[in-house]
Amino acid sequence: NAGVTQTPKFQVLKTGQSMTLQCAQDMNHEYMSWYRQDPGMGLRLIHYSVGAGITDQGEVPNGYNVSRSTTEDFPLRLLSAAPSQTSVYFCASSYGQGESPLHFGNGTRLTVT
Amino acid sequence: DAKTTQPPSMDCAEGRAANLPCNHSTISGNEYVYWYRQIHSQGPQYIIHGLKNTETNEMASLIITEDRKSSTLILPHATLRDTAVYYCIPQGGANAGNNRKLIWGLGTSLAVNP
Repeated sequence: NAGVTQTPKFQVLKTGQSMTLQCAQDMNHEYMSWYRQDPGMGLRLIHYSVGAGITDQGEVPNGYNVSRSTTEDFPLRLLSAAPSQTSVYFCASSYGQGESPLHFGNGTRLTVT
Repeated sequence: DAKTTQPPSMDCAEGRAANLPCNHSTISGNEYVYWYRQIHSQGPQYIIHGLKNTETNEMASLIITEDRKSSTLILPHATLRDTAVYYCIPQGGANAGNNRKLIWGLGTSLAVNP
């Protein structure tokens, strides 16, 4: 049981490049979400999904797109990377939305130059 | 939205109990108190949660005051591997169905010293 798997672990992009951060879970969780963590700030919610085909915006959605075509996968896309998107990104999933523990991946450390 | 107050840092001697406080005076009546920890930039890890009184599992104990405005996470015999940032999060209840309202503060950085 792998839990929540994020790839890649590290990534360096140039301003304007695009990329996709991958997130997969094998726990059949309906709820999945993306957070970013910056120094001196708490985790901030980017986007979340309550099931396949359903996504919604979190606190800081600008510059990011998501889709949820399967229960297992929830990729996060940066269409045109900016230095302000330099951060550590965490994917999390849970059985329910808010009423059960969140399971986190080990993060993707992204640097945009 | 419920907010929490935690001390920014604490120290504990290895083998002793670590008692981490959290104030959540605006918690709603049906919200649970969840605790997570984050070890050395890994993803946060769930520890324990409770609605009232005391909960215990293999990792820790959670004591919630009768008025539910504060709680204490207890690591009974802290080890060096317990060095981490600990987060207290009101979750579920009125917020169930909307994880947008989870507010992650900066937590308490616990240093367990040999």
